[in-house]
Amino acid sequence: ETGVTQSPTHLIKTRGQQVTLRCSSQSGHNTVSWYQQALGQGPQFIFQYYREEENGRGNFPPRFSGLQFPNYSSELNVNALELDDSALYLCASSLGSTGRESTDTQYFGPGTRLTVL
Amino acid sequence: AQTVTQSQPEMSVQEAETVTLSCTYDTSENNYYLFWYKQPPSRQMILVIRQEAYKQQNATENRFSVNFQKAAKSFSLKISDSQLGDTAMYFCAFMKHFAGGGADGLTFGKGTHLIIQP
Repeated sequence: ETGVTQSPTHLIKTRGQQVTLRCSSQSGHNTVSWYQQALGQGPQFIFQYYREEENGRGNFPPRFSGLQFPNYSSELNVNALELDDSALYLCASSLGSTGRESTDTQYFGPGTRLTVL
Repeated sequence: AQTVTQSQPEMSVQEAETVTLSCTYDTSENNYYLFWYKQPPSRQMILVIRQEAYKQQNATENRFSVNFQKAAKSFSLKISDSQLGDTAMYFCAFMKHFAGGGADGLTFGKGTHLIIQP
């Protein structure tokens, strides 16, 4: 069974630039959630994708956007980077299904450390 | 909206001792799930244990067990026979039960840094 993978491991960008982070979900999982973890804090929910559609969103501005592909891998895009976007970005996959309980356990990838200068 | 509070920023115990990490939460929901995740210095968030709110029986996973008090909205984690490898940040997390689709993700506490001393 392949776990959740993320790329790249580290990334340095300058303010105003755009960034794309990538996530491959665990084998058999169809749902991907993205989280932002600032230093010394717990992760904050950005959004979730289920079968290529956004399925829920946290309190993040529209410059945070995402995609999910037919193979259930996902991208997180952040436009107009700000200094406060510097954080660890975590991707988690789970097996979800609408019409039934959407409560499956999320399994996390190793994260991408983004630094905005 | 849900909130999760972990009141112990840091704890330190000797190897082989038992330690309990505290977590309280606030919600108006009746159906939900609670989790403990561990995050070692490698940063990978690892599931420790999960509890369904509708189950009265406390979840256990080997050396890890929880004390779930639904009325008090309390969800503590007990680690027995602690090991050096248990050193990590521990996060308590809440997830609402969505019957019929939709999600608002996990709500995490700020974490407890657990240090196991040799």
